[in-house]
Amino acid sequence: TQLLEQSPQFLSIQEGENLTVYCNSSSVFSSLQWYRQEPGEGPVLLVTVVTGGEVKKLKRLTFQFGDARKDSSLHITAAQPGDTGLYLCAGAAGATNKLIFGTGTLLAVQP
Amino acid sequence: NAGVTQTPKFRVLKTGQSMTLLCAQDMNHEYMYWYRQDPGMGLRLIHYSVGEGTTAKGEVPDGYNVSRLKKQNFLLGLESAAPSQTSVYFCASTLGHTSVKTQYFGPGTRLLVL
Repeated sequence: TQLLEQSPQFLSIQEGENLTVYCNSSSVFSSLQWYRQEPGEGPVLLVTVVTGGEVKKLKRLTFQFGDARKDSSLHITAAQPGDTGLYLCAGAAGATNKLIFGTGTLLAVQP
Repeated sequence: NAGVTQTPKFRVLKTGQSMTLLCAQDMNHEYMYWYRQDPGMGLRLIHYSVGEGTTAKGEVPDGYNVSRLKKQNFLLGLESAAPSQTSVYFCASTLGHTSVKTQYFGPGTRLLVL
């Protein structure tokens, strides 16, 4: 069974701080996605990384795919209260695009 | 476009009762998925479908059945609900013909089994 472990599970920080969330697996994925989920809603895609070593930036968010395509990180610079939510990584496996989801990181940014 | 919709939004069942969760998408997507979300466990795939009339088991299929009679609808059934099936259920859909596919999620159905 492929597993994706995220760390930390919970993170509470002050507005303006930086943070990094990690997503690790022993399996290789063809691509990796990051989703953000707000309370009472479904996850919404933030980014997809496909190539080992790939770095993508989305405003203050920086996503990196590991060289071996087994891990990924999400770095947020100068966090804002609007960044609060559950962050989920998901690795794509197989032709049917089944996603293996990570365990999630719950981020709270205090004003 | 409404995207992915789910009904009902919330339901309370007694152990042994049955129910059907409905997922509908208006994006002409080929693939549809049912997940359950439990604290500390992320989302786990229950069943999925790669086209009308086809279904397949995911990671945690026991106690659930599905049907995809129409392309736009994917139904999840619980024949005899158990407290262990208390969870938040999400439906998702995606285009089936691109190499890297975004899954679009519905707002979820919160199910409590007493």
